[in-house]
Amino acid sequence: ELKVEQNPLFLSMQEGKNYTIYCNYSTTSDRLYWYRQDPGKSLESLFVLLSNGAVKQEGRLMASLDTKARLSTLHITAAVHDLSATYFCATQAFGNEKLTFGTGTRLTIIP
Amino acid sequence: DAGVTQSPTHLIKTRGQHVTLRCSPISGHKSVSWYQQVLGQGPQFIFQYYEKEERGRGNFPDRFSARQFPNYSSELNVNALLLGDSALYLCASSGQGNTIYFGEGSWLTVV
Repeated sequence: ELKVEQNPLFLSMQEGKNYTIYCNYSTTSDRLYWYRQDPGKSLESLFVLLSNGAVKQEGRLMASLDTKARLSTLHITAAVHDLSATYFCATQAFGNEKLTFGTGTRLTIIP
Repeated sequence: DAGVTQSPTHLIKTRGQHVTLRCSPISGHKSVSWYQQVLGQGPQFIFQYYEKEERGRGNFPDRFSARQFPNYSSELNVNALLLGDSALYLCASSGQGNTIYFGEGSWLTVV
């Protein structure tokens, strides 16, 4: 059974600082997704990473994928308050469209 | 273009009742999946349908059922509601691209 672990579960950081969220998964997978969820809202797609070594950036967020280590990271650069949200990573086993989600990282940016 | 649309957005049901949740995927998307998200947790896979056929089922009791219609819209039905069924129910839509898009969800409260 595919398992996905994120850490940290909770992250409180000051504006302007950098930090990284880690996502480990248990079996081989061909893609890794990152989503953002604001309180009371649905999931907003941030990145889809399709291959080993893939790196994608949007604004202050950058995601990377290491399929050999079964690890993805979401790096936050110079955090701003608007980035406060819960971030989920999710992956799929080969040939299966079912998404298995991590536990989520609740990020709070302190002014 | 309209995104994934779900209805109703909020509903309150009594234990033992039945509920039907509806989802319309993004135009051109043939795959619809359903997820349950309990407060404070990541979404859990319930069902996936593609071209009206069930392609995957998560670890949910038989009280949960779904179907997909010729226009690719979908319904999720839950019978004999329990308090523990209170959650956000998310519909996801995917097509030829790599991104999986989520609707705004249906908030179900069972009292």
